[in-house]
Amino acid sequence: SQTIHQWPATLVQPVGSPLSLECTVEGTSNPNLYWYRQAAGRGLQLLFYSVGIGQISSEVPQNLSASRPQDRQFILSSKKLLLSDSGFYLCAWSVRSVYEQYFGPGTRLTVT
Amino acid sequence: QKEVEQNSGPLSVPEGAIASLNCTYSDRGSQSFFWYRQYSGKSPELIMSIYSNGDKEDGRFTAQLNKASQYVSLLIRDSQPSDSATYLCAVNRGTYSGGSNYKLTFGKGTLLTVNP
Repeated sequence: SQTIHQWPATLVQPVGSPLSLECTVEGTSNPNLYWYRQAAGRGLQLLFYSVGIGQISSEVPQNLSASRPQDRQFILSSKKLLLSDSGFYLCAWSVRSVYEQYFGPGTRLTVT
Repeated sequence: QKEVEQNSGPLSVPEGAIASLNCTYSDRGSQSFFWYRQYSGKSPELIMSIYSNGDKEDGRFTAQLNKASQYVSLLIRDSQPSDSATYLCAVNRGTYSGGSNYKLTFGKGTLLTVNP
């Protein structure tokens, strides 16, 4: 069966510090991968999605970036965090040509 | 106009009752519809998918789709306190036109509270 991992589970970072969140999927090949952010009181916002290694599409212009160095690994990064980057970051995957998305456990980021 | 709209709630129902959650969407080209359940502090969990007009049943859950009215709903029969969560509606255009067709658009969710 497929499993998706995210780490860390929680993170407290000062403004201006860098960020690296990692997501890995097990039990499937060539998944589509997604990064979402859920801010307090707001809906799920799609940040990035990827249909293959090195293929990243950005949905929202911001100080975040994403990379996919391996087929089942998706990384979300920032060089300098802003207060507005606080939120619940969720990685999701889907099988190619199927639209159901499955979410990882998430990383709760607080920027202070 | 918001792409996917849901009543934010809270929707409060007594234990054993039917909970009815509603969602409307603006894109007439939408083809795939999903319901996710999100417990407080946890990530969303897919509970239902529906692609064709009509009803789809899975245990205590029934999803209903009416593409002409651009409306999708979720019924939870015999509601339990463990059903208390935020329910997210998600929509996909699904036109097989490239990577972007895999994107889901989410509503902000409806908070359901089931009272013992």
